[in-house]
Amino acid sequence: DTEVTQTPKHLVMGMTNKKSLKCEQHMGHRAMYWYKQKAKKPPELMFVYSYEKLSINESVPSRFSPECPNSSLLNLHLHALQPEDSALYLCASSAGRHQETQYFGPGTRLLVL
Amino acid sequence: KNEVEQSPQNLTAQEGEFITINCSYSVGISALHWLQQHPGGGIVSLFMLSSGKKKHGRLIATINIQEKHSSLHITASHPRDSAVYICAVPPYGGSQGNLIFGKGTKLSVKP
Repeated sequence: DTEVTQTPKHLVMGMTNKKSLKCEQHMGHRAMYWYKQKAKKPPELMFVYSYEKLSINESVPSRFSPECPNSSLLNLHLHALQPEDSALYLCASSAGRHQETQYFGPGTRLLVL
Repeated sequence: KNEVEQSPQNLTAQEGEFITINCSYSVGISALHWLQQHPGGGIVSLFMLSSGKKKHGRLIATINIQEKHSSLHITASHPRDSAVYICAVPPYGGSQGNLIFGKGTKLSVKP
């Protein structure tokens, strides 16, 4: 199984809502990533979890809150988002070793109204 | 921090043509990634290479570590190859797990 799954595929939320994005992999990978991608732009790294510990936070606003409950799951909790946060949110995982290939999920397309 | 340049930004080809996409980076690295993103979002990792050349089907990736340059070639291109192709490298050279992405090359292959 070389698949990273993400739910939901699409999400529309208001600026006062609280929602969560979910990511799951069963490849035994120990590093998981959240990326944000705006239209016609490359992905931008948001967070990296390594062995279930947050290892990189690329100065992301606190309205985005990551969580890694176990080595297979990665969540991104959303609260009080702004319309400019509308984007494709991509999850990826890698074995955790150096120079490893990252496997990407299909993404969640988020629209903030 | 590494800077990644891809060329061309956009590429239109006729079915069957040989395609080349280029990637240059500024800081020496241990590995470079080529990724493919179809309309609708999902990203697929095509290659990770450290030296020389790798081939998978009609796709060939080459890298010259000394010149800090990589190319992705597609032989006998097909409309289903239409996608954005992205080059990605570690941000500070070496072998960090997180990546910096190029702006991508949008390929459109016409039948």
